[in-house]
Formats: sequence, C-alpha cells, structure tokens
Amino acid sequence: GQNIDQPTEMTATEGAIVQINCTYQTSGFNGLFWYQQHAGEAPTFLSYNVLDGLEEKGRFSSFLSRSKGYSYLLLKELQMKDSASYLCAVGDSNYQLIWGAGTKLIIKP
Amino acid sequence: DVKVTQSSRYLVKRTGEKVFLECVQDMDHENMFWYRQDPGLGLRLIYFSYDVKMKEKGDIPEGYSVSREKKERFSLILESASTNQTSMYLCASIETSGGAGDTQYFGPGTRLTVL
Repeated sequence: GQNIDQPTEMTATEGAIVQINCTYQTSGFNGLFWYQQHAGEAPTFLSYNVLDGLEEKGRFSSFLSRSKGYSYLLLKELQMKDSASYLCAVGDSNYQLIWGAGTKLIIKP
Repeated sequence: DVKVTQSSRYLVKRTGEKVFLECVQDMDHENMFWYRQDPGLGLRLIYFSYDVKMKEKGDIPEGYSVSREKKERFSLILESASTNQTSMYLCASIETSGGAGDTQYFGPGTRLTVL
C-alpha cells in the first residue's frame, strides 16, 4: 500500500529551529512536496525535491533521501506566523499526489 | 498570481439534498482536482480532470460526480448528501499533465456540514 507518515503535532519556541520529518512508501516516486496550511486556509506550496540532498529557500530548507524514503522540512528562526500545518506529499507513478495527514506546528513565544 | 476560487466558504445542507460545489481558476490550467480533507487524514482525491469534458475517478469517488463544461470551471456534485460527507472540500489546479514538480494551486476550501 501507499503510506506517508509525519508527526501529528510539534511545538517549538519563537526564534528556534524545528525539523519536521516525513517518511513514505509509494508505488513509484516523482518528487516530494511540502505545503504550508494555516488554519482555515488553502495549502500553499513551499518546496519540491526530486533528487537527494538539501534544497534551501530562505528560512526553510527541505531534504530528501530516496533510498531511505525520507524527507524533512527544516524551519529556522521561527516566527509566530510559522504556526501552521505542514503537509508532505509524494508524486506516485501516475504523477498523482499522495498526501500525509500533516504536522501541526505550534510556536510559543 | 494564480487564483483559484470556490463558490462558498461554508455550507450547511440536509441529508438527501443535492449539493453543488463550484471551483474556478483564472490561469487557463488544464488539470483540476477535487479533494476532501478530514482531521487526521491526508488530502484524499475524489475526482480530477485533464481537460474539458474529461474526468477521472480518484481514490474516493463514491457518492460524488463532477462536471467540467468549461476549462476554467470544475464542479463537484453530491447527488444525495449524507452526514459522512461532512468535510472540508479543496479544489486545486495545475498547468500541465504528468508533470513532476508541477505545483498544485488550491482554492480556499468549502467547509460542508451535512445535517
């Protein structure tokens, strides 16, 4: 079967660093996406990884290891506005996205 | 900026009613999707469409149908609403088909409650 696992909830402190992990088992692999979703709003695109390694984009970085079926999203210098759910999604062999349930990130002052 | 709009943010319907959820995108995207999002579950694909008048079943099509008469508009229809269809419904679109790395752009969502 196809499966995406990520922690349900994480808590971090403003100004700190947090790493949100995602592991996956899918039929085929056509890249891994991270989306951010604030409460009551639509998901918005953060990053896309298709090759192994780290992709950095400002305060956010995303890492992929295809051999391990593993990715993480790293958020640095956390701000209160980073409080949101973070969704991991994998493109399968049909280029359809398989979605994780999301990780709710709570930032405390 | 890509804009995807949905007809309602909140909707309350009664069991057995026929429900229409509308989605419109303004970027001439070919591909459009309907998902539902429930607590503790990932987004689940209901239906998608690669072109006008074309539709494909997703993972959970039962109890739903869709219509794509114009490229910019993709409608989700609940033929006879049931309480287990209470959910957040999200519409999305992307520019190309079969494109790894294509970003999906989402509408704001419709929170449907069926009583």
